Amino acid sequence: AQSVTQPDIHITVSEGASLELRCNYSYGATPYLFWYVQSPGQGLQLLLKYFSGDTLVQGIKGFEAEFKRSQSSFNLRKPSVHWSDAAEYFCAVGPSTASKLTFGTGTRLQVTL
Amino acid sequence: DVKVTQSSRYLVKRTGEKVFLECVQDMDHENMFWYRQDPGLGLRLIYFSYDVKMKEKGDIPEGYSVSREKKERFSLILESASTNQTSMYLCASGTSGTTGELFFGEGSRLTVL
Repeated sequence: AQSVTQPDIHITVSEGASLELRCNYSYGATPYLFWYVQSPGQGLQLLLKYFSGDTLVQGIKGFEAEFKRSQSSFNLRKPSVHWSDAAEYFCAVGPSTASKLTFGTGTRLQVTL
Repeated sequence: DVKVTQSSRYLVKRTGEKVFLECVQDMDHENMFWYRQDPGLGLRLIYFSYDVKMKEKGDIPEGYSVSREKKERFSLILESASTNQTSMYLCASGTSGTTGELFFGEGSRLTVL
């Protein structure tokens, strides 16, 4: 069975500081991995995805993520956080891009000014 | 822009009532999904559909049913609403393939009294 673990429920960072959100997954085959962001009162928006090739993937809004097969991880990073990045972030895994995805429990990011 | 529209943003229903949550997408996507979002539990898949008149159970189908009579519309039905179905419901649609992604609606917040 596929599963996703996001160990950090809530993270607070100062504006301008770097950010890393952790994601570990369990999947029996080659996974498709995703990061989504949900702003208050909104649906989810895709930040980036990985399924093959370069293990460092670039996404929208200056985010990037690195796939590490040996650690079953897909951590999300941003070098300098902006106050508008405050939101909830979800990691997901699935068998393809627009298929049944399994989501983590989410990490809520708070940005202090 | 792709649009996934959920007809009701907020609903309040009584225990035992039949509830319909409607979702319409305007991009001719084959795949449609219903997720339930609860604090601390992330998103959990209720039902999904890869084609018209086709449906498959997700991880938590009990107490729910779905209908997909037209490609653009995917309805979630609570035959007899219960208080433990109070939640945020998210609809998503997408097309598989390496360039595919899931697009989410803004959600329907259901309260069952």
